[in-house]
Amino acid sequence: GQQLNQSPQSMFIQEGEDVSMNCTSSSIFNTWLWYKQDPGEGPVLLIALYKAGELTSNGRLTAQFGITRKDSFLNISASIPSDVGIYFCAAANAGGTSYGKLTFGQGTILTVHP
Amino acid sequence: ETGVTQTPRHLVMGMTNKKSLKCEQHLGHNAMYWYKQSAKKPLELMFVYNFKEQTENNSVPSRFSPECPNSSHLFLHLHTLQPEDSALYLCASSSQTQGLGVPLHFGNGTRLTVT
Repeated sequence: GQQLNQSPQSMFIQEGEDVSMNCTSSSIFNTWLWYKQDPGEGPVLLIALYKAGELTSNGRLTAQFGITRKDSFLNISASIPSDVGIYFCAAANAGGTSYGKLTFGQGTILTVHP
Repeated sequence: ETGVTQTPRHLVMGMTNKKSLKCEQHLGHNAMYWYKQSAKKPLELMFVYNFKEQTENNSVPSRFSPECPNSSHLFLHLHTLQPEDSALYLCASSSQTQGLGVPLHFGNGTRLTVT
């Protein structure tokens, strides 16, 4: 089946540092999404990307949809303690009969030291 | 408030019990999903409902039985579960109006423990 390889698995950084994580696949997708999950809660959408090459920002977060449509990255600038959590990439071939069927990466656990 | 509400938040059940998980979405979406989240594994899609019709059963054992009475409510009926079914069960919804079906909006999940 389709798989997403997300790296790194975990990161330990100091407050104020920038963070980068990425997701790759052997399959082509037309939609890439990035979610964050806090303990005891469900994943919350951070950024959605719908076009190859697209670069989108949401505050201190920036994500890009790879030009090959097989990868995506997420950057967090100037990290703060509340950035702690698990970050998931997800991808889909949205539209048609494949709507909503997301494939998820394994997640990146982010720890920020004050 | 996520717009997708799941109850109960925590559930402990024996292997012979019957219980149900409930999900309600207040976003006006027309597709709903059940996902399973186990430790150290990616989220796994279980079921998809589009306009109340089940359109996907991702090879889920019959001890899990979904029900979608309308576009706002989704249930997962549980019967004779196994300890390995212990996990966080997440409900999600999305809109199909533009034909994309993404992104998905998730509830906070039900933490299920099977003893």
